[in-house]
Amino acid sequence: GAVVSQHPSWVICKSGTSVKIECRSLDFQATTMFWYRQFPKQSLMLMATSNEGSKATYEQGVEKDKFLINHASLTLSTLTVTSAHPEDSSFYICSARGGAFYQPQHFGDGTRLSIL
Amino acid sequence: AQTVTQSQPEMSVQEAETVTLSCTYDTSESDYYLFWYKQPPSRQMILVIRQEAYKQQNATENRFSVNFQKAAKSFSLKISDSQLGDAAMYFCAYISMDSNYQLIWGAGTKLIIKP
Repeated sequence: GAVVSQHPSWVICKSGTSVKIECRSLDFQATTMFWYRQFPKQSLMLMATSNEGSKATYEQGVEKDKFLINHASLTLSTLTVTSAHPEDSSFYICSARGGAFYQPQHFGDGTRLSIL
Repeated sequence: AQTVTQSQPEMSVQEAETVTLSCTYDTSESDYYLFWYKQPPSRQMILVIRQEAYKQQNATENRFSVNFQKAAKSFSLKISDSQLGDAAMYFCAYISMDSNYQLIWGAGTKLIIKP
């Protein structure tokens, strides 16, 4: 149980384009979803937290106009990187939680984003 | 600020032996939750084990167990009978009201299994 699907797993695109990453909870309802960014050999850096039907809460330093998050249903959240540039290249991971804050977060497989 | 410290950047263990990964944290809360996640080369984050601070009994999950020392704010992970598939980055994480209900992550420990 508690499977989270993240797509695509790898995307390469040209600078200036927008990229959408999907995160789905397959067998549970995700009241809260999280988007992380991970730099090589580092831990996870939280970008934003989203609750179904509400606007996402962004961490300090994360541009909300560049990283658009939509959590339209209890099983789907999307992250859109708008007008992507090479410095946005990174590994992005989503996670989902189905209950109270002390419940574990379940993670997707991550998306490797490369901007040329 | 709440912090989670993993003092071992890298550990290695012989296959079938036991290894302990250390984790310490800083908090003034009495009610919190601790997690160990592993991230193999595939880079998916996988929950290994979870501990509630109000429980004195150490959590166990098959070959994985923790040594939770609340007074010392220590939360080490013991892996028994190490297997090649245990090779991964291991991250310790903490969550509580004082972390704004967000996971606070340690820097990770890379575990190498020697065949």
